[in-house]
Amino acid sequence: ETGVTQSPTHLIKTRGQQVTLRCSSQSGHNTVSWYQQALGQGPQFIFQYYREEENGRGNFPPRFSGLQFPNYSSELNVNALELDDSALYLCASSSGLAGAADTQYFGPGTRLTVL
Amino acid sequence: KNEVEQSPQNLTAQEGEFITINCSYSVGISALHWLQQHPGGGIVSLFMLSSGKKKHGRLIATINIQEKHSSLHITASHPRDSAVYICAVIGNTDKLIFGTGTRLQVFP
Repeated sequence: ETGVTQSPTHLIKTRGQQVTLRCSSQSGHNTVSWYQQALGQGPQFIFQYYREEENGRGNFPPRFSGLQFPNYSSELNVNALELDDSALYLCASSSGLAGAADTQYFGPGTRLTVL
Repeated sequence: KNEVEQSPQNLTAQEGEFITINCSYSVGISALHWLQQHPGGGIVSLFMLSSGKKKHGRLIATINIQEKHSSLHITASHPRDSAVYICAVIGNTDKLIFGTGTRLQVFP
């Protein structure tokens, strides 16, 4: 186990609803990255937070937003859910601002189904 | 065309076989990760490498920066090696770009 936890593990929502996914990073890690993994695809980078500030964003619309808290845990919020938002959402924590050059420790993921 | 391509997409093997999974990329990178994803989603980082070769147990990863190619080898494969193996590169934006993965099934 990596020490990174995510909640909930599974979630079912309907189109138009809003969802909040949570991630607790490994102790001592101040950087959290969020990824979306559609079925049969590799993960896609959503955004990264370092010490409570957004530090890079992938090609996702503004209805995908995030937060990082002083204890470095993080939330991913998605508004106005669409069917294509159905995916596994992964968070990964790392210990510095070297971005992906740091070893990233992945959580187990939250599987979101939008009906 | 994806910036990171893996082959094969699916691979089946008998226990004990030597396995090779390939990764080619089209962007400049500073390093490359090999990741293992088990059913249910959990991802484990196997290797991060920027040159040469790394070995951990039965796993060996190599990278050729000039050819923009990396390979992951598994010696003496075992059913517990069954998983999706994902290659991810660190591109110019310093963020990970993932391949679509290779699904490996090892049968006893």
